[in-house]
Amino acid sequence: KAGVTQTPRYLIKTRGQQVTLSCSPISGHRSVSWYQQTPGQGLQFLFEYFSETQRNKGNFPGRFSGRQFSNSRSEMNVSTLELGDSALYLCASSVGTGDSTGELFFGEGSRLTVL
Amino acid sequence: AQSVAQPEDQVNVAEGNPLTVKCTYSVSGNPYLFWYVQYPNRGLQFLLKYITGDNLVKGSYGFEAEFNKSQTSFHLKKPSALVSDSALYFCAARRGSTLGRLYFGRGTQLTVWP
Repeated sequence: KAGVTQTPRYLIKTRGQQVTLSCSPISGHRSVSWYQQTPGQGLQFLFEYFSETQRNKGNFPGRFSGRQFSNSRSEMNVSTLELGDSALYLCASSVGTGDSTGELFFGEGSRLTVL
Repeated sequence: AQSVAQPEDQVNVAEGNPLTVKCTYSVSGNPYLFWYVQYPNRGLQFLLKYITGDNLVKGSYGFEAEFNKSQTSFHLKKPSALVSDSALYFCAARRGSTLGRLYFGRGTQLTVWP
């Protein structure tokens, strides 16, 4: 069974640009959540999607947005990039329903560098 | 506010010795507790979880964790450390009603020296 796939793995952008990151969950998983990891702030929750609906949202500005498609794949977008957005963005999937004890399965992450 | 604390940024231990990585939590209700490990430039790998039942849970690669409700702790342990266990370890908690959202500790860098 394939794991969680994130693309791209590495990318470099400049301030003011926007970026879209993609996540394909494990087959059969309907919940996808996103986390930002930085040395200073650690792992911070961005948002969670289930059946194309945002179910939870963390404390990030509106520049950070996401969506989920009918095949459970998810994208997150960051607009008007700032230097502080440089981070490893992790996607995680889980079954999401009827399995409330289930752990999250993480992808390898997308490392974003903003210059 | 919900939070998870890992009081030690670094833990150093000799190979073959037992190791403990500490975690305490402040999460309402009866949280579900997890340990994850992260190797350089990789995502997080699940090690073990506590949901209910026996306070000692066993996980991958010989790791185990002890849940203590009165001390709100969930310490990760291994009887005999390996050099290959060197990595960044994260404790996480989730309120049962908030599927998908984990509260993470800041992480503990474990170094096992030969």
